[in-house]
Amino acid sequence: AQTVTQSQPEMSVQEAETVTLSCTYDTSENNYYLFWYKQPPSRQMILVIRQEAYKQQNATENRFSVNFQKAAKSFSLKISDSQLGDTAMYFCAFIDSGYALNFGKGTSLLVTP
Amino acid sequence: EAGVAQSPRYKIIEKRQSVAFWCNPISGHATLYWYQQILGQGPKLLIQFQNNGVVDDSQLPKDRFSAERLKGVDSTLKIQPAKLEDSAVYLCASSFLGVRKQYFGPGTRLTVT
Repeated sequence: AQTVTQSQPEMSVQEAETVTLSCTYDTSENNYYLFWYKQPPSRQMILVIRQEAYKQQNATENRFSVNFQKAAKSFSLKISDSQLGDTAMYFCAFIDSGYALNFGKGTSLLVTP
Repeated sequence: EAGVAQSPRYKIIEKRQSVAFWCNPISGHATLYWYQQILGQGPKLLIQFQNNGVVDDSQLPKDRFSAERLKGVDSTLKIQPAKLEDSAVYLCASSFLGVRKQYFGPGTRLTVT
């Protein structure tokens, strides 16, 4: 069974600092897609960043970047210059066969002033 | 661009009652997903539609859950009869055909007492 593991249930970071959220996954497929979603208290799931497994270059979206290690099946999210609005649950997810997302249990991130 | 719409936002029912949720995807999105998110967990796929046909309903508890997507646009998800363990947030998402980027609605929080 495909699984996603997020080993940090909760994390805290001060405003303007950098934080890294960890994610490991398991799949037997060679082609797949990886995602980080943000879910604030409003419950709206928002796509933060995505990575295609066949691309070696790590994806970057403004203050958000990933460290994709395919051999280790690791996909961590780095948030630079953290802002109060980054406070949310962060879910790592992937799609291998088909189109449905497989999610981890999430990491609750708190950004403090 | 209008996002994915869902209603109601909140629903409280007693066990053994029935309930229905509605989802209107982004215009032009052929693929529609229903996810169940139990508190403290990541979302889990219940059913995936492509136009008005079911692609994957392997994790849908068919003895009590049903879903339809008449005319390939709006979708309804029904639970009858509800159990306490059905308390969760029900998320609807949609995407263009063949595209692995999903857009989520705000979700419906169901509480079964």
